[in-house]
Amino acid sequence: GAGVSQSPSNKVTEKGKDVELRCDPISGHTALYWYRQSLGQGLEFLIYFQGNSAPDKSGLPSDRFSAERTGGSVSTLTIQRTQQEDSAVYLCASSLVAGSDYEQYFGPGTRLTVT
Amino acid sequence: GEDVEQSLFLSVREGDSSVINCTYTDSSSTYLYWYKQEPGAGLQLLTYIFSNMDMKQDQRLTVLLNKKDKHLSLRIADTQTGDSAIYFCADPRNTDKLIFGTGTRLQVFP
Repeated sequence: GAGVSQSPSNKVTEKGKDVELRCDPISGHTALYWYRQSLGQGLEFLIYFQGNSAPDKSGLPSDRFSAERTGGSVSTLTIQRTQQEDSAVYLCASSLVAGSDYEQYFGPGTRLTVT
Repeated sequence: GEDVEQSLFLSVREGDSSVINCTYTDSSSTYLYWYKQEPGAGLQLLTYIFSNMDMKQDQRLTVLLNKKDKHLSLRIADTQTGDSAIYFCADPRNTDKLIFGTGTRLQVFP
């Protein structure tokens, strides 16, 4: 079956613009995670969803970052007024249900470059 | 990778064994994980170990867990060029998310 897909694969934007990153989880997976991978910060958790609700948003770095998930499937991560420090690879993962006992399957990521 | 530490680089000759180390601060997790990231590819779960085990062997991979010292290691026997990648240990800290280590870049030379 299809894995986790993310779009776009690459995004270059000007500082101050808003961007939307999309994640399509594996069909039937109820949990969806967003992570960010950058040179300075390594691989860090941003937010996760169980169904449409987000029990843990603790990793979102500022109020410019938001995410939503509708219909228990596709999720969108939105970054408003982008800054150069937002440049990173944004990774999405999904699992059957939330919980450390369940494997997270990762998408290929979206590489965001803010100029 | 706050509080989950790894050495940044490891270089080995093809056919030798590789040992990648990880230290963590929280010992309440049920599982600890190793992920592999190949160039241009996403993260892939490589193996895991249950917290009540000391060792797990899976073909060329051996995971060792020392809970007293909060130390996790991944040994790759007969390392091949295809093993060149970045390896991350991950500790869920008994939560639903993964806290990743800093990552170790393994380079295998012929």
